[in-house]
Amino acid sequence: GQNIDQPTEMTATEGAIVQINCTYQTSGFNGLFWYQQHAGEAPTFLSYNVLDGLEEKGRFSSFLSRSKGYSYLLLKELQMKDSASYLCAVVDSNYQLIWGAGTKLIIKP
Amino acid sequence: GAVVSQHPSRVICKSGTSVKIECRSLDFQATTMFWYRQFPKKSLMLMATSNEGSKATYEQGVEKDKFLINHASLTLSTLTVTSAHPEDSSFYICSARYPGGDTEAFFGQGTRLTVV
Repeated sequence: GQNIDQPTEMTATEGAIVQINCTYQTSGFNGLFWYQQHAGEAPTFLSYNVLDGLEEKGRFSSFLSRSKGYSYLLLKELQMKDSASYLCAVVDSNYQLIWGAGTKLIIKP
Repeated sequence: GAVVSQHPSRVICKSGTSVKIECRSLDFQATTMFWYRQFPKKSLMLMATSNEGSKATYEQGVEKDKFLINHASLTLSTLTVTSAHPEDSSFYICSARYPGGDTEAFFGQGTRLTVV
């Protein structure tokens, strides 16, 4: 079966750095997405990785290791507005999106 | 980025009635759209894949006769929840991707359905 694992919940302090991990076992791989979702809203796109390595975009960075079936989302200089759920999603061999359950990130002052 | 518009954002209906949710791709043609359901504190659950001009492909466990999907044009897909019951209350989200399949998914705003 196909499986994506993320921690259920994480807590971090405003101004700090947090890393959210995602491991996956899927039938094929055609890319990995990270989305941010605030409560009651639709997900918004953060990043897309298809090659190994680190993609940096402002305060957010995403890393991928295809050989390890592993990705992480790194959030720097945390702000209160970063409190949200972060969803990892993998594109499988049929170009279907397989979703993780999401990581709820709580930012404390 | 591309825009996907979903309407309505909130709807309250009586048990036994039907509700239609629209999903439109505003600036691109979407041959395929996806309908998701999301329970509180849970991830997105794919309900069905909507294909323009053909029947939708439903995921296992999703009732085709209850969740009717119509994709009559390249920019519009609709989800009709028929004979709604309180357990159908949920957050429904549609998404679409540019043809090719390997790009980000653009999401509608979501519809909060409450059946009373």
